[in-house]
Amino acid sequence: NAGVTQTPKFQVLKTGQSMTLQCAQDMNHNSMYWYRQDPGMGLRLIYYSASEGTTDKGEVPNGYNVSRLNKREFSLRLESAAPSQTSVYFCASSSLAGAVNEQFFGPGTRLTVL
Amino acid sequence: GENVEQHPSTLSVQEGDSAVIKCTYSDSASNYFPWYKQELGKRPQLIIDIRSNVGEKKDQRIAVTLNKTAKHFSLHITETQPEDSAVYFCAAAPYNNNDMRFGAGTRLTVKP
Repeated sequence: NAGVTQTPKFQVLKTGQSMTLQCAQDMNHNSMYWYRQDPGMGLRLIYYSASEGTTDKGEVPNGYNVSRLNKREFSLRLESAAPSQTSVYFCASSSLAGAVNEQFFGPGTRLTVL
Repeated sequence: GENVEQHPSTLSVQEGDSAVIKCTYSDSASNYFPWYKQELGKRPQLIIDIRSNVGEKKDQRIAVTLNKTAKHFSLHITETQPEDSAVYFCAAAPYNNNDMRFGAGTRLTVKP
């Protein structure tokens, strides 16, 4: 039981390049989330998916797109990376679609945009 | 949307002392309040949570209190140990809504 996994662990991009961050969970959770973490700003929600087939914007969705590929996988895409997107990105999942419960986090992806 | 404020941003205590971290929230619809601990370079992990129908919850050396009228909740750690040193985040979310908002974090240092 690996929990929540993310790839890659580290990535360096040039401004304007695109990339997709991958996330998978093996806990049969309905809900999945993408956060970014910047120094002094805590965790900010980018997008979430309450259940397979649905996605919703969070606090800071601009510049990102997401895909809930199936119940296990939730990817985050940067179409044209900007230096302001330099951050640590965390994926998380939780068990119930109808109520808020503990979110389990992945190990994070450290992204640098030059 | 919900706004969560957390204080203090840094906290230094002597081993064995207590530590208290406070958070306020703005959305009266919020009814789930978790606390996460994040060690350096690691992922956030839940340490305790409370729902709006409960005023206090304890788990060994950790307790959380909630005042819904005043819209604030607090984390209390007693008999602190060096391994309690980490960044602690509070968060708030309304029922049936996954849009959880986090505070900016408190860096706790426990000096041996």
